[in-house]
Amino acid sequence: KNEVEQSPQNLTAQEGEFITINCSYSVGISALHWLQQHPGGGIVSLFMLSSGKKKHGRLIATINIQEKHSSLHITASHPRDSAVYICAVRANTDKLIFGTGTRLQVFP
Amino acid sequence: DGGITQSPKYLFRKEGQNVTLSCEQNLNHDAMYWYRQDPGQGLRLIYYSQIVNDFQKGDIAEGYSVSREKKESFPLTVTSAQKNPTAFYLCASSKTNIGEQYFGPGTRLTVT
Repeated sequence: KNEVEQSPQNLTAQEGEFITINCSYSVGISALHWLQQHPGGGIVSLFMLSSGKKKHGRLIATINIQEKHSSLHITASHPRDSAVYICAVRANTDKLIFGTGTRLQVFP
Repeated sequence: DGGITQSPKYLFRKEGQNVTLSCEQNLNHDAMYWYRQDPGQGLRLIYYSQIVNDFQKGDIAEGYSVSREKKESFPLTVTSAQKNPTAFYLCASSKTNIGEQYFGPGTRLTVT
């Protein structure tokens, strides 16, 4: 079993829909990251959080440390949100462990 | 503009040849990393360096080598000993070894 599990693996949506991507982990962590990988391969960091909730534009990330679970929400989705979303955790060993990603496609 | 550059974007090599992938950053970051990405798998750490002239093996270092002679540069050599070198390679850097990582655009290596 992977130490970081994401669901779903693939997600399709119509423009305007509310989207949720989930991340569960099994190790002790000091922080969790949400990353976005564009079709060309480049990766950008969306959020780094260790508790609670963060919001940036239409993106919201939450984390529940007790449940070892995080969610990434996208409100009013748009075709330009189409990308692979990757969850990564900073384990207490300082190692960064990556999930396998969720591929999102948003259609007009 | 500050950032990380990787070159080339696409690289083709014949089996048995060594190949070096370039990674340069002008963010004044101390730590640099090399990751490999394969379909259906999370990023896996090949090598990392926390400071100039020092580097450590990651989870899948066999068949790879690195150097860190300058703070800005962290080239990765894929040697002929790497059994399955075809993959997407990503370089990253961070201010400290536990800081937020910034990624380069990646190099897609195909070995035939």
